[in-house]
Amino acid sequence: DGGITQSPKYLFRKEGQNVTLSCEQNLNHDAMYWYRQDPGQGLRLIYYSQIVNDFQKGDIAEGYSVSREKKESFPLTVTSAQKNPTAFYLCASSIGTPNEQFFGPGTRLTVL
Amino acid sequence: EDQVTQSPEALRLQEGESSSLNCSYTVSGLRGLFWYRQDPGKGPEFLFTLYSAGEEKEKERLKATLTKKESFLHITAPKPEDSATYLCAVQARAGGFKTIFGAGTRLFVKA
Repeated sequence: DGGITQSPKYLFRKEGQNVTLSCEQNLNHDAMYWYRQDPGQGLRLIYYSQIVNDFQKGDIAEGYSVSREKKESFPLTVTSAQKNPTAFYLCASSIGTPNEQFFGPGTRLTVL
Repeated sequence: EDQVTQSPEALRLQEGESSSLNCSYTVSGLRGLFWYRQDPGKGPEFLFTLYSAGEEKEKERLKATLTKKESFLHITAPKPEDSATYLCAVQARAGGFKTIFGAGTRLFVKA
């Protein structure tokens, strides 16, 4: 079955620690995205990548970093520089633009 | 500035009571408008893409329509399993791969 997987489903981090969220897709999509979702707000774009070895900052990139070494994978690192990292993180992919994005199940990050 | 506003924030319906959700948008040239369904604690699920004013799409009890300023998601005779948050999103011609999402409408359907 084709789809997008994210791991872990739940993640707990102590203040000052970096954590990496995994996102893998087997849809053969070129574009991949990371969003953050907070209660009562729309999804906000953190980073996106149109092709391998290339990515662009979204609207809220500060305190986050990404890599795109393989077409299938787009991991997100939440660094200690992100002041309010507790949120629901969603990864998505699309075959291009304007095309619908397909989302993974999400990772809920909580900072203790 | 490109914006997407959804209303109402929450909507409570009785089973079988039809209604509509609104998505108002301002973009510098619409490339596409998308509707998604999101269940609690899960990722959004794609429903429809609309490209131009006058276009309509249907799926089971859902029908999406588009004008130059807004889109409606009509829900006919809803069932409790239609309860979810419905998200609207737009892509602008000048935005490249960026998609702007509304905050969503939480729909509750009571049996």
